[in-house]
Amino acid sequence: NAGVMQNPRHLVRRRGQEARLRCSPMKGHSHVYWYRQLPEEGLKFMVYLQKENIIDESGMPKERFSAEFPKEGPSILRIQQVVRGDSAAYFCASSPNMNTEAFFGQGTRLTVV
Amino acid sequence: TQLLEQSPQFLSIQEGENLTVYCNSSSVFSSLQWYRQEPGEGPVLLVTVVTGGEVKKLKRLTFQFGDARKDSSLHITAAQPGDTGLYLCAGEDSSYNNNDMRFGAGTRLTVKP
Repeated sequence: NAGVMQNPRHLVRRRGQEARLRCSPMKGHSHVYWYRQLPEEGLKFMVYLQKENIIDESGMPKERFSAEFPKEGPSILRIQQVVRGDSAAYFCASSPNMNTEAFFGQGTRLTVV
Repeated sequence: TQLLEQSPQFLSIQEGENLTVYCNSSSVFSSLQWYRQEPGEGPVLLVTVVTGGEVKKLKRLTFQFGDARKDSSLHITAAQPGDTGLYLCAGEDSSYNNNDMRFGAGTRLTVKP
């Protein structure tokens, strides 16, 4: 049973470009969380999704950021018109249902140049 | 403000010493998880505590959940360099009725040989 898969592991974008980060949850997991982590800091909650539904996006900036978890395929975190301040590690975690343990992917490290 | 406050933020000790790190909140959690994260990797789940007053042991690590389910501690006996990492606690934020998982900022532990 493969773990949570995130790709790419590293992503470099120029200012103004779009970044798409993918997260394939563990088999049987229908809940996905996205977090952002700056160097030397903890994890900041961004968004919580179930299949085809956004449950809580209170941690996500209102502009330029969006997330989806379609019926088929991975969850996508999309950042439009990236700026240098978007540079960070983005982690996703999945769980089989609410109130259960979540397992993390290895993260995508976004660098905006 | 953080839902979960972790202390200390940084801790540097010599191999063989004992240590305790704390995770505190004013909120009640149905469960609380502890993770360890190494540089360049995603957090790895160590333990989940569910019952108030619960104590769980994982080799040299002892986890305790407070009686009121608002706080938790992690005690490491005879620390080793391999214990170096960022220790994160996380819990479901039931106040939003969404039960999405929120993290503390972490305790960054360094164990010197």
